Amino acid sequence: EAQVTQNPRYLITVTGKKLTVTCSQNMNHEYMSWYRQDPGLGLRQIYYSMNVEVTDKGDVPEGYKVSRKEKRNFPLILESPSPNQTSLYFCASSFLTGATEAFFGQGTRLTVV
Amino acid sequence: AQKITQTQPGMFVQEKEAVTLDCTYDTSDQSYGLFWYKQPSSGEMIFLIYQGSYDEQNATEGRYSLNFQKARKSANLVISASQLGDSAMYFCAMREGYNNDMRFGAGTRLTVKP
Repeated sequence: EAQVTQNPRYLITVTGKKLTVTCSQNMNHEYMSWYRQDPGLGLRQIYYSMNVEVTDKGDVPEGYKVSRKEKRNFPLILESPSPNQTSLYFCASSFLTGATEAFFGQGTRLTVV
Repeated sequence: AQKITQTQPGMFVQEKEAVTLDCTYDTSDQSYGLFWYKQPSSGEMIFLIYQGSYDEQNATEGRYSLNFQKARKSANLVISASQLGDSAMYFCAMREGYNNDMRFGAGTRLTVKP
């Protein structure tokens, strides 16, 4: 089954404790990205990657890191989480063309206390 | 600058009636794609419908259709014969031809009343 898998689905952590949210896709997509969703703001892009070892900042990259060592994986790293990073996070992937939809993971609800 | 605008934070519709969710966009690119996604209370993002900027016909997918007015830069989603299961958050999104970034609007929460 074609899918984007994110883990964990839910996470409560404390300020400053490094964490990683994993994302994996099995559709051989070149393009992968991370979004955060906050009420009234829709989905805002954090980082994206157009290929292995190629990553770039989205609209809200501060406080986040990513890596793309393999085509299928695109982990999101919060080195020192803060309460303002409490949000719903989505990983998405697609082919490198504007004519195709993005496939989304199930979402990760992160709470930083 | 906001590229996708959804002006209706919340909408109500009676079951079996049609409803239109508004979306306007801003781009100077000639090639772009417009998308609608549904997010039920369970949280997942479900792709509904796509419209390409060069498509002359409005896209349709079952009970969903996209009212594409290029000159007005609007891409409204029309849901016909609403069902209780249509109650969800709906997001309009755009991908511009020169890059692959998908930009989203703030969303519209639709509630279908029995």
